[in-house]
Amino acid sequence: SAVISQKPSRDICQRGTSLTIQCQVDSQVTMMFWYRQQPGQSLTLIATANQGSEATYESGFVIDKFPISRPNLTFSTLTVSNMSPEDSSIYLCSAERYRGIANYGYTFGSGTRLTVV
Amino acid sequence: AQTVTQSQPEMSVQEAETVTLSCTYDTSESDYYLFWYKQPPSRQMILVIRQEAYKQQNATENRFSVNFQKAAKSFSLKISDSQLGDAAMYFCAYRSAQTTGAGSYQLTFGKGTKLSVIP
Repeated sequence: SAVISQKPSRDICQRGTSLTIQCQVDSQVTMMFWYRQQPGQSLTLIATANQGSEATYESGFVIDKFPISRPNLTFSTLTVSNMSPEDSSIYLCSAERYRGIANYGYTFGSGTRLTVV
Repeated sequence: AQTVTQSQPEMSVQEAETVTLSCTYDTSESDYYLFWYKQPPSRQMILVIRQEAYKQQNATENRFSVNFQKAAKSFSLKISDSQLGDAAMYFCAYRSAQTTGAGSYQLTFGKGTKLSVIP
């Protein structure tokens, strides 16, 4: 099963700046997912990142605000751009796990707690 | 679009007792996957149990088992012999078995149930 290393684990940033979150997977995965989670609440999908193509964004999220890179099958980054206090949240990356060709759940990074001041 | 509903925002259980967390979902698909994830305060999302919709047999993993009622679109999680380490947020999630089209591969989460374990 894939293991994901996500960094930074937390950061405090000034409004108007940008932060790039990195996720490194220990095996090749086709799809990676980026989520946002307010403390105590559920996960909201930001975008799906497929290697070799542009990320697909969910309603309410745009590429200019959350650019994503997926340069290879083991790595992805999410940038939170021109941050405001409303961007304060937990950001998680995820990759799908397989047993053979069947889905076997998803592995998640440990999350990045972002505070914008 | 699929929706997942967890009607219990919070639950508590005495240590060593059994607790059941509820989950219902809405879908027009016949083949899909269902999951329960645990998220302790460390934020790490941990897969608890997985169920394939075409399998009638309920999945079990040690102290964790599910009651999967496909016709009722219900997928409850039973935790037996509850331990202090079971205290966490529990999320029910749905994934279509489709591999093409919009929404493929994505997880749809419920709002979560916060489980407290009382010593």
